Amino acid sequence: DQQVKQNSPSLSVQEGRISILNCDYTNSMFDYFLWYKKYPAEGPTFLISISSIKDKNEDGRFTVFLNKSAKHLSLHIVPSQPGDSAVYFCAASPRWRDDKIIFGKGTRLHILP
Amino acid sequence: DAGVIQSPRHEVTEMGQEVTLRCKPISGHNSLFWYRQTMMRGLELLIYFNNNVPIDDSGMPEDRFSAKMPNASFSTLKIQPSEPRDSAVYFCASSLREGRDEQFFGPGTRLTVL
Repeated sequence: DQQVKQNSPSLSVQEGRISILNCDYTNSMFDYFLWYKKYPAEGPTFLISISSIKDKNEDGRFTVFLNKSAKHLSLHIVPSQPGDSAVYFCAASPRWRDDKIIFGKGTRLHILP
Repeated sequence: DAGVIQSPRHEVTEMGQEVTLRCKPISGHNSLFWYRQTMMRGLELLIYFNNNVPIDDSGMPEDRFSAKMPNASFSTLKIQPSEPRDSAVYFCASSLREGRDEQFFGPGTRLTVL
């Protein structure tokens, strides 16, 4: 039973355009959300996070939006670059266990030249 | 800083054999995590240590899996006996403290059980 769902296994976006990766969660007790990025043959690396007291967090080309009522978050990458081609994992942490992170299955992003 | 070090990077073994995966966390980090990545289930937390003490092993699939952290710079994940369904990529990660500190992942061990 997936508590963090990434329903798109893959996504292709033209270089220079916006990439939007989506994530849904089922547990309203999650109050901290993260995105990790993973290249082949490497471990995931932390990208950006957001607390449930915010609805937006921005870091350079990366912005995460949180819609608590819909239990939905999204990662926007603008503009998309070839180096952004990777697998992106959405993750959530529950209020009662701030040391525990629950990951989604990931979305593979292809940036097309 | 060398980052989190895992060995071996690849392991191919036959069903029934014992497998031991190794991890060296980043020096000074107090928390260590073992994850497993499969296509079906994504990235799952298996077990988590803080200050070398196992805190949560609820993700360990069954008794065939065991993990130890004898000191702050070394941890092992053992599967005995191994089964084909254990084939996956196993990641070790460490973080500076408990709580929501960023987790730094190693490159993973790709395990294939024939």
